[in-house]
Amino acid sequence: DIQMTQSPSTLSASVGDRVTITCRASQNIGNWLAWYQQKPGSAPNLLIYKASSLETGVPSRFSGSGSGTEFTLTISSLQPADFATYYCQQYNTYSVTFGPGTKVDMK
Amino acid sequence: QVQLHESGPGLVKTSETLSLTCTVSVGSVSNYDWSWIRQSPGKGLEWIGFVYNRGSSKYNPSLGSRAAMSIDTSKNQVSLSLSSVNAADTAVYFCARVLYGYLIDYWGQGTLVTVSS
Repeated sequence: DIQMTQSPSTLSASVGDRVTITCRASQNIGNWLAWYQQKPGSAPNLLIYKASSLETGVPSRFSGSGSGTEFTLTISSLQPADFATYYCQQYNTYSVTFGPGTKVDMK
Repeated sequence: QVQLHESGPGLVKTSETLSLTCTVSVGSVSNYDWSWIRQSPGKGLEWIGFVYNRGSSKYNPSLGSRAAMSIDTSKNQVSLSLSSVNAADTAVYFCARVLYGYLIDYWGQGTLVTVSS
């Protein structure tokens, strides 16, 4: 299986901050990477696919970059609705795997 | 907008079989492939398997041969069964749609299943 790691595990930030989350894959996954946002009691919501493509309806303050084994999710100006947990997921192979998550909370 | 609703027993006894159904509202279940994913505090998000609209399926090797998924086009539903459950199978189970390849786009709200003797 391809192992996914994320850093940091928790990130404390304020509204208006620029936030960056890193995701690493244990082997080359090309750009077959997605980012999801999850709020407590809710299902994950797709934000980014193919490493940098913004899902329809997702605010443009979210962006993704990277390829191969290292990827980042950036929120350009954190909004109150963005306090949540973010997961990366590789879908390079049928045995998809998720990162452990990064919780963005209020400083 | 696609709506997915998981249903099934919230409590399953150890060693028995967990059975869940996902009802798809808006659109035909036969137009897409589907997936089940679970989330437990100890293991995060874990992919369980894919069931393809052509009828085949693939499962997480870590589950051995315990998982089985199917599509019922007459009811517009996707189902999951997981046999010989134990406490480690306690989790919120999500049904999800596969947009293309192995990319998962829409998820249901999830249903909590507790395994207990």
